[in-house]
Amino acid sequence: DGGITQSPKYLFRKEGQNVTLSCEQNLNHDAMYWYRQDPGQGLRLIYYSQIVNDFQKGDIAEGYSVSREKKESFPLTVTSAQKNPTAFYLCASRLGAKNIQYFGAGTRLSVL
Amino acid sequence: GIQVEQSPPDLILQEGANSTLRCNFSDSVNNLQWFHQNPWGQLINLFYIPSGTKQNGRLSATTVATERYSLLYISSSQTTDSGVYFCAVERGNNRLAFGKGNQVVVIP
Repeated sequence: DGGITQSPKYLFRKEGQNVTLSCEQNLNHDAMYWYRQDPGQGLRLIYYSQIVNDFQKGDIAEGYSVSREKKESFPLTVTSAQKNPTAFYLCASRLGAKNIQYFGAGTRLSVL
Repeated sequence: GIQVEQSPPDLILQEGANSTLRCNFSDSVNNLQWFHQNPWGQLINLFYIPSGTKQNGRLSATTVATERYSLLYISSSQTTDSGVYFCAVERGNNRLAFGKGNQVVVIP
């Protein structure tokens, strides 16, 4: 099946720990995105990548890092510098020039 | 940057009822999309509708770009329509700006 796979579904972070959220797509899309969703809020853009080996900061990049070494993969690391990491994280990829975005099922991150 | 406002923020519907969700945006856009997020968090793209009207089953959407708003109609609502509906518009460099959503609960 073609789609976007995020793992794990649930993740717990200890104080001072870095954690990495996985996002893999087999849709052959060039662009990928990471969003953060807090309760009752819309989606806020963390980082995005329009092509392999290139990525740009979104609106709330502080405390996060990404890499894009392969077209299929766009992992997000939540570093210890992110003081309020508890949220729902969504990964998306883009189809073509219309910027229609397709989403994974999300990862819920909580702090222990 | 471009602002996206959705109304009403919360809506409770009896199964079988019709409803209209509204999205206002602050600047002209060439890309507007409606998404549905189910109670488990999965977002599905419902419509790509920068202008005009589209229909998909019991859902339809209309965007009046010159007046900077879009409407999503849900007819004969079912419990599976519950969730959050998001409007998103293009804000340059292939990024989308999302509204805060319309939380819809359909009760049997």
